[in-house]
Amino acid sequence: EAQVTQNPRYLITVTGKKLTVTCSQNMNHEYMSWYRQDPGLGLRQIYYSMNVEVTDKGDVPEGYKVSRKEKRNFPLILESPSPNQTSLYFCASSYQGYQPQHFGDGTRLSIL
Amino acid sequence: GQNIDQPTEMTATEGAIVQINCTYQTSGFNGLFWYQQHAGEAPTFLSYNVLDGLEEKGRFSSFLSRSKGYSYLLLKELQMKDSASYLCAVHNNAGNMLTFGGGTRLMVKP
Repeated sequence: EAQVTQNPRYLITVTGKKLTVTCSQNMNHEYMSWYRQDPGLGLRQIYYSMNVEVTDKGDVPEGYKVSRKEKRNFPLILESPSPNQTSLYFCASSYQGYQPQHFGDGTRLSIL
Repeated sequence: GQNIDQPTEMTATEGAIVQINCTYQTSGFNGLFWYQQHAGEAPTFLSYNVLDGLEEKGRFSSFLSRSKGYSYLLLKELQMKDSASYLCAVHNNAGNMLTFGGGTRLMVKP
């Protein structure tokens, strides 16, 4: 089954404790992206990657890091999480950036 | 930068037709997407317009006017399950970014 898998689905943690949200897709997609979704603000792109070893900033990259060492994986790293990063995060992938994206089920992060 | 506007909320009656508008200002326009998102779930793809005109897909249609920076999503024969948020997103070819509007929450009433 074609899918984008994110882990964990839920996480409550504390300020400053490094965390990683994993994202994996099994569709051989070249384009992968991370979004955060906040009430009233919609989906905002954090980082995206057009291929292995190629990553670019989206609209809200501050406080986040990503890496794309393999085509299927695109982890999101919060080196020193802060409460303003409490949000619902989605990973998505597509063959190319201009094609429809498949979204993961989301990760709800709470930073206390 | 990019600016995308869509109404925050709309209400419609089961069986009716509803039109959800989206206006945008962007440089390097490369296409416009519509996604549906039910509460607590991931967005799912509905339609994609890159050229002017109407794209029809069953009960859903999407229209684009690039010169006006305007799109709409038309939902016919509304069903209760159509109650969801509808997200307009613009693809920018300058940086290969995808920018979403704030979403329109549609409530379908009996």
